[in-house]
Amino acid sequence: AQSVTQPDIHITVSEGASLELRCNYSYGATPYLFWYVQSPGQGLQLLLKYFSGDTLVQGIKGFEAEFKRSQSSFNLRKPSVHWSDAAEYFCAVGPSGNTGKLIFGQGTTLQVKP
Amino acid sequence: DAGVIQSPRHEVTEMGQEVTLRCKPISGHNSLFWYRQTMMRGLELLIYFNNNVPIDDSGMPEDRFSAKMPNASFSTLKIQPSEPRDSAVYFCASRSGLNEQFFGPGTRLTVL
Repeated sequence: AQSVTQPDIHITVSEGASLELRCNYSYGATPYLFWYVQSPGQGLQLLLKYFSGDTLVQGIKGFEAEFKRSQSSFNLRKPSVHWSDAAEYFCAVGPSGNTGKLIFGQGTTLQVKP
Repeated sequence: DAGVIQSPRHEVTEMGQEVTLRCKPISGHNSLFWYRQTMMRGLELLIYFNNNVPIDDSGMPEDRFSAKMPNASFSTLKIQPSEPRDSAVYFCASRSGLNEQFFGPGTRLTVL
């Protein structure tokens, strides 16, 4: 079955520290992979996406993610976290065919300490 | 570009009442998605349309829920009758081709 697992429900980091949010997926074909961020009371905003090509993808707000097929992972990283990065982060995987369904992980809530 | 527009942003109603949520997708997008978000179940896809045609409604919880897309610029999600367990944030998202989905700000529904 297709699924996305975000092992960490809640993470707290200090401002200026590095960040890595984990995402593992189970998918039978070549996946399309996404990271979205949701600030309180807001909708989801796309941070970055991987469709093909270079396995290290750059996104907005200084985020990057690396696709590792052998580990079925698509972890999100940021070298230096800012207080404004506090939000909920969702990893999602989509089919490679021409359909629109995305499977979302349960989300990771990031808290940033001053 | 105004992005995906949803209305109302907040809705409080009493059990048994009909609720209609509205969505205007981004112009030119040919796919539209309705999601529900709750603490217990996270983000759930309810239904999605491609070129105004419902493609997959397997996520619609029961017959009390219905969705329509009469044209490329408008969609509704209706709950009749509403129940307290329908309280959630409902998101609409749209997409062009194989690109990413763009989400609206959501409608927070409270059923008393």
